[in-house]
Amino acid sequence: AQKITQTQPGMFVQEKEAVTLDCTYDTSDPSYGLFWYKQPSSGEMIFLIYQGSYDQQNATEGRYSLNFQKARKSANLVISASQLGDSAMYFCAMREPPSGNTPLVFGKGTRLSVIA
Amino acid sequence: NAGVTQTPKFQVLKTGQSMTLQCAQDMNHNSMYWYRQDPGMGLRLIYYSASEGTTDKGEVPNGYNVSRLNKREFSLRLESAAPSQTSVYFCASSGTPREQYFGPGTRLTVT
Repeated sequence: AQKITQTQPGMFVQEKEAVTLDCTYDTSDPSYGLFWYKQPSSGEMIFLIYQGSYDQQNATEGRYSLNFQKARKSANLVISASQLGDSAMYFCAMREPPSGNTPLVFGKGTRLSVIA
Repeated sequence: NAGVTQTPKFQVLKTGQSMTLQCAQDMNHNSMYWYRQDPGMGLRLIYYSASEGTTDKGEVPNGYNVSRLNKREFSLRLESAAPSQTSVYFCASSGTPREQYFGPGTRLTVT
């Protein structure tokens, strides 16, 4: 069974609109961490945001926020006020347990296209 | 601060040739990782090193070997390249649970 599921292969959003990218995960460990990365066409992996399973509040970083629903095992990325530069692949990943040396498990990604 | 560096950026090999991908980090991180990215597959773990002197297999280790040369450097070796190893290879490092930083990647083609 997949640990990380991203059900949207591709998404379109109008510039300046908000968009939500879905991510569900599967774990029986109560302690884990969730990551989102952006991969533009140039290919590098850019860290966006992190949510720990015991964090009291949903994570936010500038225009990025994480809609973390623990009971539903979902960690959706919300991008507000989309910009043309947000067009990229977006990957959700999980680390369990959330120690500094555990590798990440990635979803297959969602390609976001921002339209002017 | 260079972060995570990888060499080379691009490489073309013939089937059966060998090569080593180099990775170095300057963030004093204990843990380092090698992933591969194939179209439509996301990133998959090849090998990782939780600390200097240790290495462990990941999801797709066949055909690869690794060496944690010191705390900074973690290399990936293909002894006899196969077309199925055509991929983009990413090295990453991590010092705390809330982070993992990636190098720019190596695009490898095996003909």
